[in-house]
Amino acid sequence: QKEVEQDPGPLSVPEGAIVSLNCTYSNSAFQYFMWYRQYSRKGPELLMYTYSSGNKEDGRFTAQVDKSSKYISLFIRDSQPSDSATYLCAMRGGSNYKLTFGKGTLLTVNP
Amino acid sequence: DVKVTQSSRYLVKRTGEKVFLECVQDMDHENMFWYRQDPGLGLRLIYFSYDVKMKEKGDIPEGYSVSREKKERFSLILESASTNQTSMYLCASSYPGTDLAKNIQYFGAGTRLSVL
Repeated sequence: QKEVEQDPGPLSVPEGAIVSLNCTYSNSAFQYFMWYRQYSRKGPELLMYTYSSGNKEDGRFTAQVDKSSKYISLFIRDSQPSDSATYLCAMRGGSNYKLTFGKGTLLTVNP
Repeated sequence: DVKVTQSSRYLVKRTGEKVFLECVQDMDHENMFWYRQDPGLGLRLIYFSYDVKMKEKGDIPEGYSVSREKKERFSLILESASTNQTSMYLCASSYPGTDLAKNIQYFGAGTRLSVL
């Protein structure tokens, strides 16, 4: 079983839709959870990070962590064409610098 | 704004050549990282450096070496490039420690290397 599983998509939605992106993981030691956004031909940029189970909201974005199910989600409300990118989940343990990434989900928001 | 700069966006090299990929960060970060990104495989850590002249192997160090002579600069070296090293290479940097709010990894734009 891979440490982090992420559906690669591609996912195509109309503008204004609610988007749900998900990752599952197997390593119970993971404590910190991140979502990176990567535009075509660019490096990843951090979108949100969370620690522990629960929700964290930032504008149109909500990150959700369910440690009991080893499942994390990123919701995008009122999606825009500018949200079209690859979204990568990443996670690590409490005392470890090393990030483990999902393979990324390619999202296209159509105007 | 944090800036991580990779010296080349695109490189084309021949099999057997020695290749240098350079990365510079301007945030005085102790930690620097080299990843490669391949379709279907995601980001994989090649090497990590936590201080000048200090390094640790990542998940896929074979065929690579690194050099960190100055805090702001981290170089990835392909001693003898092979076609299976054709990839997107990403450099990142961060502060040390375990506080997630402080040790976020910031990425450069990437170098797309083709080995022919």
